[in-house]
Amino acid sequence: GAVVSQHPSRVICKSGTSVKIECRSLDFQATTMFWYRQFPKQSLMLMATSNEGSKATYEQGVEKDKFLINHASLTLSTLTVTSAHPEDSSFYICSVGGNEQFFGPGTRLTVL
Amino acid sequence: QKEVEQNSGPLSVPEGAIASLNCTYSDRGSQSFFWYRQYSGKSPELIMSIYSNGDKEDGRFTAQLNKASQYVSLLIRDSQPSDSATYLCAVRVLGFGNEKLTFGTGTRLTIIP
Repeated sequence: GAVVSQHPSRVICKSGTSVKIECRSLDFQATTMFWYRQFPKQSLMLMATSNEGSKATYEQGVEKDKFLINHASLTLSTLTVTSAHPEDSSFYICSVGGNEQFFGPGTRLTVL
Repeated sequence: QKEVEQNSGPLSVPEGAIASLNCTYSDRGSQSFFWYRQYSGKSPELIMSIYSNGDKEDGRFTAQLNKASQYVSLLIRDSQPSDSATYLCAVRVLGFGNEKLTFGTGTRLTIIP
């Protein structure tokens, strides 16, 4: 399957700051990447579909101005959480692939 | 009705026994079905995919799909303590030009030594 990396693996920030999370597809040309969020003891919730060279598609209820997605190349998508607040604290995971999706290791965000 | 439903568990199974995990889905247009394993604090790992009715075996894992009844299951034979994890069922409906997966809430499995 596809090998996916994420950076950073863990980040702690103050409320009101912005945090950028990178998702890299190491061995797969990814025209599409997916961003998920997972709160403790809950399942994965799709936030948005990142499209290489075009705008991301956001799921209902996800603020596109708060969660900025950039997919500038076939191997890199970034998610920026702008003006982060404690309620944004979560586990953010990206996925890559065709019919079978493979997940990155995730980024744990804690907003103080 | 949730699109993908799983019994949240926890499901406790003695070591060496068969663990049976079930999942039902609501959209009859669903065409691809997946089981992911997620250890605590880690991201999901794909362990099985199944696309047609019947059984698919891979080592100790067997996925079963019944589209008429809209359910998919995962059997784990000779359960090991390392199988203790949350198992997520995921379903995809094709034909809309996207590859979006819908996940169930997961079943927490504990293998008792």
